[in-house]
Amino acid sequence: DIQMTQSPSSVSASIGDRVTITCRASQGINTWLAWYQQKPGQAPKLLISAASSLQSGVPSRFSGSGSGTDFTLTISSLQPEDFATYYCQQAESFPLTFGGGTKVEV
Amino acid sequence: QVQLQESGPGLVKPSETLSLTCTVFGDSISNYYWGWIRQSPGKGLEWIGHIYSSGSTNYNPSLWNRVTMSVARSKNQFSLKLSSVTAADTAIYYCARVSRYIRVFDFWGQGILVPVSP
Repeated sequence: DIQMTQSPSSVSASIGDRVTITCRASQGINTWLAWYQQKPGQAPKLLISAASSLQSGVPSRFSGSGSGTDFTLTISSLQPEDFATYYCQQAESFPLTFGGGTKVEV
Repeated sequence: QVQLQESGPGLVKPSETLSLTCTVFGDSISNYYWGWIRQSPGKGLEWIGHIYSSGSTNYNPSLWNRVTMSVARSKNQFSLKLSSVTAADTAIYYCARVSRYIRVFDFWGQGILVPVSP
């Protein structure tokens, strides 16, 4: 199985801050990677697929980059509605696996 | 806009079979893969498996001997059965649509909490 490791597990930030979350795959996955946002009591929401492709309706302050084993999700200017937990997911091979999550909090 | 709705019993006893159904609204179930993902309380996400509208499946090897998925195209539904459950199977179970070009989940149900308890 491909292991997905996210860091940090939590980050404290303020409105307007630039936030960067890292996801590392245990083996190369090209750009077969997605990022999700999950708020308490809600299902995850797909933000980015194929490592850097922003889903329709997702604000442009979110961006993704990387290929191979190392990926980043960046929020350029944190907004109140961005406080949530973020997960990466590899889509290269079965079984599909998720990172452990990064909680963005005040 | 595609919407998904999970349904099933609110409680399952240990050793019994968990059965859930996902109804798809706003799109045909045909020509897509559909998946199940679960999240144990306070924990991360675990992929359970996929099913194509034709019925072909891929299961997580960690669960494969207990999982069965099926599709009912006439009802625009797909289903999950997980046998011999234990407390470790207590989780929120989500159904989701798999994006057409990459194996990620672009539409999700709201999730259903299934406790496993005597």
